[in-house]
Amino acid sequence: GQQVMQIPQYQHVQEGEDFTTYCNSSTTLSNIQWYKQRPGGHPVFLIQLVKSGEVKKQKRLTFQFGEAKKNSSLHITATQTTDVGTYFCAGSRDFGNEKLTFGTGTRLTIIP
Amino acid sequence: DAGITQSPRHKVTETGTPVTLRCHQTENHRYMYWYRQDPGHGLRLIHYSYGVKDTDKGEVSDGYSVSRSKTEDFLLTLESATSSQTSVYFCAITRGGITGELFFGEGSRLTVL
Repeated sequence: GQQVMQIPQYQHVQEGEDFTTYCNSSTTLSNIQWYKQRPGGHPVFLIQLVKSGEVKKQKRLTFQFGEAKKNSSLHITATQTTDVGTYFCAGSRDFGNEKLTFGTGTRLTIIP
Repeated sequence: DAGITQSPRHKVTETGTPVTLRCHQTENHRYMYWYRQDPGHGLRLIHYSYGVKDTDKGEVSDGYSVSRSKTEDFLLTLESATSSQTSVYFCAITRGGITGELFFGEGSRLTVL
């Protein structure tokens, strides 16, 4: 079946440093979504990417979908304590027809 | 806020007992999902529903059953709970189709002793 892996599993950064998490799929994806889950909370949708090579930005967050549509990344510039949480990617091979498969997540902790 | 409520939010039970978790939505969305979340595994789909009485299995459906007799309610049942089913369970809906943006409930933490 489809597998979606994320690396790293954990990341500790000093406040102000940058952070990147990577999502890799064993198959070509039609779309990829990113979610953030604060400690003790529920996952919250951040963004969806559908086009090869697509790049989207949300303030300090930059999301990228690979040219081959098998990988994606989330980059946070100048991390803040509010960025703490676990970031998940989720992809589908057939947009509109197939369920999403979630990655294993990257837990980000910030050292003040 | 997608109007999703889960109950109970916390439950401790013993091995072999039946457990039912309820997910209630107020917006009449067609698709509803049950996920479990465990350290190192992310979110794994248990079952989902695409309409009243229409359900299908996810990737970790063994030991679980679901029912959807009304649009607004999606029930997850553990017929005979085991310690491996200790987890946090999330209900979710999509406002669009099956690959739309997921909106999650607050979660139900289940401990099976």
